[in-house]
Amino acid sequence: GQQVMQIPQYQHVQEGEDFTTYCNSSTTLSNIQWYKQRPGGHPVFLIQLVKSGEVKKQKRLTFQFGEAKKNSSLHITATQTTDVGTYFCAGAGGTSYGKLTFGQGTILTVHP
Amino acid sequence: NAGVTQTPKFRILKIGQSMTLQCTQDMNHNYMYWYRQDPGMGLKLIYYSVGAGITDKGEVPNGYNVSRSTTEDFPLRLELAAPSQTSVYFCASSYAGLTYEQYFGPGTRLTVT
Repeated sequence: GQQVMQIPQYQHVQEGEDFTTYCNSSTTLSNIQWYKQRPGGHPVFLIQLVKSGEVKKQKRLTFQFGEAKKNSSLHITATQTTDVGTYFCAGAGGTSYGKLTFGQGTILTVHP
Repeated sequence: NAGVTQTPKFRILKIGQSMTLQCTQDMNHNYMYWYRQDPGMGLKLIYYSVGAGITDKGEVPNGYNVSRSTTEDFPLRLELAAPSQTSVYFCASSYAGLTYEQYFGPGTRLTVT
């Protein structure tokens, strides 16, 4: 079945440093979504990427979808303490109708 | 709109007991999902539904059952609770399928002892 791997599992940064998490799929994806989960909370949708090579920005967050549509990344510039939480990628493949496969997430800790 | 609501928030079960986790959404979404989240393991899909009367298995369906008699409600049934079912359970909904964002409920934290 489809697998989505995410690295690193944990990341500790000082406030102001940059942060990147990477997502790799075992199969070609039709689209990829990113979610953020605050400690003790529930996942909240951030963005969706659909096109090969697509890059989208949300303020300090930059999302990329690989040319082969098998990998993606989320980069945060100049982290803030409000960025703490777990970041998940979730991919949809051609045979996974109606279903997303989530990566295991990257837990981000930001030290003030 | 309340979005996706789940009850209860917390529950402790003894091995072998049964319970139903409730999930309701008021966004008129066709698709609904049940996930479980274990520490450091991401979200695993248990069951999903593409509309009232239609359900299908996800990645980890064993030990669970679902029904979808209305668009709004998607309860998850645990028949014989086992310690391996200790987890946080999230219900989610989306307007349609793969290209639509999923809205998650606040979760139910279940402990089986």
